[in-house]
Amino acid sequence: NAGVTQTPKFQVLKTGQSMTLQCAQDMNHNSMYWYRQDPGMGLRLIYYSASEGTTDKGEVPNGYNVSRLNKREFSLRLESAAPSQTSVYFCASSSYTDTQYFGPGTRLTVL
Amino acid sequence: EDKVVQSPLSLVVHEGDTVTLNCSYEVTNFRSLLWYKQEKKAPTFLFMLTSSGIEKKSGRLSSILDKKELFSILNITATQTGDSAIYLCAVQLSHSNYQLIWGAGTKLIIKP
Repeated sequence: NAGVTQTPKFQVLKTGQSMTLQCAQDMNHNSMYWYRQDPGMGLRLIYYSASEGTTDKGEVPNGYNVSRLNKREFSLRLESAAPSQTSVYFCASSSYTDTQYFGPGTRLTVL
Repeated sequence: EDKVVQSPLSLVVHEGDTVTLNCSYEVTNFRSLLWYKQEKKAPTFLFMLTSSGIEKKSGRLSSILDKKELFSILNITATQTGDSAIYLCAVQLSHSNYQLIWGAGTKLIIKP
């Protein structure tokens, strides 16, 4: 039982490049989330998926897209990376009203 | 606008001290309040509080919620260097698919 896994762990991009962050959970959770964490700002919700087949914008969705591929997997795509997207990205999952469980994070640097 | 405010933003104490971390909130549809500990990587869950006045306890950590005054505290007694971390508070809403509204966190440093 791996919990929530994320790939890659680290990534460096040049401005304008694209990439996809992958997330998978094996806890049979309905809901999945993407957050970014910047120093002094706590966690900010980018997008979430309350159930398979649905996605909704969070607090800071601009510049990102998501895909809920199936119940297990939820990916985050940066179409044209910008330096302002340098951050640590966390994926999380939960079973509706339960607590959220987090993946190990992806540290992204955009030059 | 829903918001969660934690104080202090940072705190440095010596091993063996007792610390109290604060979390206040203003949200439209409160369901629960959660505390997480974040060391070098992902946040890990500590407590979920839904009722006022009922203390949750785990070893040297305890937490309580006051739904009238809209705050929670996290206490750590006999602190150890391993307690050094960022402590995050989040409020779960009863709508919007149970989203969490996060505070900025309190960075706690325990000196030996």
